[in-house]
Amino acid sequence: SYELTQPPSVSVSPGQTASITCSGEKLGDKFACWYQQKPGQSPVLVIYQDSKRPSGIPERFSGSNSGNTATLTISGTQSMDEADYYCQAWDSGTARGVFGGGTKLTVL
Amino acid sequence: EVQLVESGGGLVQPGGSLRLSCAASGFTFRSFRMHWVRQAPGKGLVWVSRSDSGGSTTYADSVKGRFTISRDNAKSTLYLQMNSLTVEDTAVYYCARDGDGIASAHFDYWGQGTLVTVSS
Repeated sequence: SYELTQPPSVSVSPGQTASITCSGEKLGDKFACWYQQKPGQSPVLVIYQDSKRPSGIPERFSGSNSGNTATLTISGTQSMDEADYYCQAWDSGTARGVFGGGTKLTVL
Repeated sequence: EVQLVESGGGLVQPGGSLRLSCAASGFTFRSFRMHWVRQAPGKGLVWVSRSDSGGSTTYADSVKGRFTISRDNAKSTLYLQMNSLTVEDTAVYYCARDGDGIASAHFDYWGQGTLVTVSS
């Protein structure tokens, strides 16, 4: 089955740029998306189709996807961005969704 | 305003059954692919199942043969029938709308989740 791998944790200083990676075989051939989840809340879509931002998501969130790696980039990271982030793709061969294991972003 | 409201969670013994519901509003439910996603306590998100607008369904290996996804377009409601439950099925279950549903899938709206606890 298809798998996505994320680093368990990433730390960033306020105002700096945070990058969270998501790796999977030929992930660049699929669309990748990203979700933000804060404690006790439902996930929120922050990037879809590799690099598109839903309405209401700040411009500091951006995404890219090429080769085997998708990347979520948060520019000018703020304390409110501290959360768990999950990448997700769709395995069209099996028609199943796949999530990465999640990355805890710490802003300190 | 799009809303997804799950219900039906609770405490069930191993081997038992439960049916979850997800009431949708604010959009044309019959036109969208819908999914169930779960999250065990302190763990990550796991995709469970999908129901296409045309009726096609797929399941994660961990629930195939035990869970059944269905939908009632007239009631704008998604269901998840869960049988032969094990402790490993303990999780918050979310329903989610698919904002793509064609070449790919991304979940643009999520419900608040309903907790299923499997324990003796």
